[in-house]
Order: sequence, then C-alpha cells, then structure tokens
Amino acid sequence: EPEVTQTPSHQVTQMGQEVILRCVPISNHLYFYWYRQILGQKVEFLVSFYNNEISEKSEIFDDQFSVERPDGSNFTLKIRSTKLEDSAMYFCASRPTDGSYGYTFGSGTRLTVV
Amino acid sequence: AQSVTQLGSHVSVSEGALVLLRCNYSSSVPPYLFWYVQYPNQGLQLLLKYTSAATLVKGINGFEAEFKKSETSFHLTKPSAHMSDAAEYFCAVSDLGNQGGKLIFGQGTELSVKP
Repeated sequence: EPEVTQTPSHQVTQMGQEVILRCVPISNHLYFYWYRQILGQKVEFLVSFYNNEISEKSEIFDDQFSVERPDGSNFTLKIRSTKLEDSAMYFCASRPTDGSYGYTFGSGTRLTVV
Repeated sequence: AQSVTQLGSHVSVSEGALVLLRCNYSSSVPPYLFWYVQYPNQGLQLLLKYTSAATLVKGINGFEAEFKKSETSFHLTKPSAHMSDAAEYFCAVSDLGNQGGKLIFGQGTELSVKP
C-alpha cells in the first residue's frame, strides 16, 4: 500500500537554528498538508498546499514557517529560527483529488528544540 | 466552520467489553468524518471514514461508526475490546468549505483496556 514517507524520524536542534522537515507524499496525490502535535495534545493544522501554492494556513503558521515542493516528489516544511515551543511531532499528509478523501499520514518527525 | 468535539478525554474498559468513543460534529455542509488511531510514539492510522454513502461505516480491527445527522454524532464502537486496542483515538472532520480541505481534529480520547 502506498505510504507517505517522512524524514528524519527524530531531529534535535538548538534554539534559533533552522530545520527542514521532509516528506514524500503519495505519487498521485495533489493535496499536501502539515500538522503538528505537541506532546499530549491534539493534532493541529499548519498548512495546506495545492497546485504549487499554499491554499490555507493556520495562525500557527507564521513567518518563521515556510513550505516548498522543490521537485516532483518532495514536500518540505522549514522552520527558520526554532523556538522551544516548536518542539512537537510534525505530520505530513496527502490526499488525492478523486473525491475519496483518502487522507494518508506519514509516521511523523519528532522535533526537539533544546 | 466545521468542528468536532470528543466527549471524554479518557475511557477505560475491560477486555471483552463494549468500546464506545463519542464524537459530535458541527458543520454547515454535509460533513465527511473520520476516525484515526494513534499508538504510542506512532503516526495516525485511518480506522474508518464517512463520505456520505452508508451511514454505518465499518473499519479496520473490528471498529465501526454510525453517522447520525439528527444527533450530529459519529460515535466509534467495537463490540469486544482487546488489549491491543489501547491507544489514542481522534475524530476528525474535513473542512470542505475551504479549497485545501484540511482535516480538523478533536481533542482525542485515550482508550485503556484492563485485563
């Protein structure tokens, strides 16, 4: 079964450093998403991406965040200057445009900011 | 705007007992609804989804959910709990009002299963 692949699975970074979280969505999916889950809390929407542009972003997704689809397969989330409160699990998801609403999530990247 | 509310942040059942996890939704359009399961330190796995077909939806691992428009509910059930069902369960609604169609998650319900 097709999977959404996220790398790395765990990243530790120092406060103020830039991080890039990588995702390879399912190949025939055209909608892409990033979510985050702070430990013990609910899953929060960050941003959706379609047709090579952001279609929606949440209040969390401020100027420190950016997304990019640098090639035909990768979808990245960049945090420019990490803060302690950015420590969370980050999930990438994708879905097709066939009306099935088959959202598929990756296994996540655990980001720890120290 | 769409939203979901999960009643009960923690549910505990005995092995073999009925599992009932409650989810109520709010939506200005016919909703698409989902249940996901998250095992410790893992990602989100789709249990089942309702996309306006049959109101009783069967999913993986013996779970099912019934869409009740009159009650704005989409409760998750399993007739007989197994120890391996212990996990966090999230109800979600697809925000069809926006082009991106993001999922909006509830707060989650942690299911414990006692031997």
